[in-house]
Amino acid sequence: EDKVVQSPLSLVVHEGDTVTLNCSYEVTNFRSLLWYKQEKKAPTFLFMLTSSGIEKKSGRLSSILDKKELFSILNITATQTGDSAVYLCAVEGPFNKFYFGSGTKLNVKP
Amino acid sequence: NAGVTQTPKFQVLKTGQSMTLQCAQDMNHEYMSWYRQDPGMGLRLIHYSVGAGITDQGEVPNGYNVSRSTTEDFPLRLLSAAPSQTSVYFCASKPDGYYGYTFGSGTRLTVV
Repeated sequence: EDKVVQSPLSLVVHEGDTVTLNCSYEVTNFRSLLWYKQEKKAPTFLFMLTSSGIEKKSGRLSSILDKKELFSILNITATQTGDSAVYLCAVEGPFNKFYFGSGTKLNVKP
Repeated sequence: NAGVTQTPKFQVLKTGQSMTLQCAQDMNHEYMSWYRQDPGMGLRLIHYSVGAGITDQGEVPNGYNVSRSTTEDFPLRLLSAAPSQTSVYFCASKPDGYYGYTFGSGTRLTVV
């Protein structure tokens, strides 16, 4: 059975801290892994990682993919209150089917 | 450019009623999917489509039907609503290739 597991389920930090979010997966015929940020409404796209792009960085956010060990991490440095959200990991299998983890809820306190 | 448009935003149904959640995208995307999101469960795939006229089941298809008569529209039909279908429903679309899904703003459905 294809599955995506995220940890921790929730996290509380203070502004300026660095956080690491984890995503492990077992998905047949892996094509890509994506990270999304979800605040009040719809998830918004952050990164896509594939066999040809196993490391991505955008500002304070960065992510790596380990295809051998079947996991990815999302790092956020110098956290701000605006980073408070649920972070979702999704893994793409065959036929463009995406399997989502249950998310990590991040709360950044001032 | 509207992106992915879902209607309605909120809906309350009585058990046994049927209804259709509408989804339309104006980006000419081939792939469209319906997800439901429950607390602590992440997003679960209900049905998806790889193009007009082609649909398939996801992880939790029971109680739902879909059709894709045009590239733009992908409605989700609840046949006989049950309280277990109380959830937030998201429609999403993507083009072919290595791209992520773009999500609509969601429909919050309550079945009483």
